[in-house]
Amino acid sequence: QVQLVQSAAEVKKPGASVKVSCKASGYTFTHYEINWVRQAPGQGLEWMGWMNPNSGKTVYAQKFQGRVTMTKSTSISTAYMELHSLRSEDTAVYYCARGTYSGDHWGQGTPVTVSS
Amino acid sequence: SYDLTQPPSVSVSPGQTASIACSGDKLGNKYVSWYQQKPGQSPVLVIYQDTKRPSGIPDRFSGSNSGNTATLTISGTQAMDEADYYCQAWDSSTYWVFGGGTRLTVL
Repeated sequence: QVQLVQSAAEVKKPGASVKVSCKASGYTFTHYEINWVRQAPGQGLEWMGWMNPNSGKTVYAQKFQGRVTMTKSTSISTAYMELHSLRSEDTAVYYCARGTYSGDHWGQGTPVTVSS
Repeated sequence: SYDLTQPPSVSVSPGQTASIACSGDKLGNKYVSWYQQKPGQSPVLVIYQDTKRPSGIPDRFSGSNSGNTATLTISGTQAMDEADYYCQAWDSSTYWVFGGGTRLTVL
């Protein structure tokens, strides 16, 4: 069965970076795009960007351009999202989701807390 | 930027039909998906490409998309359907855009 398993919760100080991983299993990793979505406490879903695991091509939401990097390691079927220059407003649960037009499978979420 | 608008809340009685609208400029020209999210859980896809249901999603969930409005309809609503619902649009220029979400209450 398809699974996306994300890394554990993180606590970071303002100005630091965080790197979240998303390990895929149950399908061919390079055949489906990976999207990253975040959800601040009590708020809605916010799309951050998209990566093609085959080509490595990325598309970032304008809001995050210059501050986010999405990468992959094909050998271990894992996608990564790194967010730099963290501020308190980046406190959220970060999800990876598989798919192009929609997310048919989602990771369990990685809580990231930014606090001094 | 492209915006999608949803009502913050919708209420429905058990067994009745719930409709949740999602509006955006020329939304009918984009693919629309709908997600259900319960507290503390990851979103679950319930409708994709406007009208299609993933395997395992009950057939009481249906979707439509035309003009500027997409609609998620839940027929014979059950208590277990109480959740937040998000619409999401896709096209090749904007990629993913989410609506603000609608809390469905089954009274």
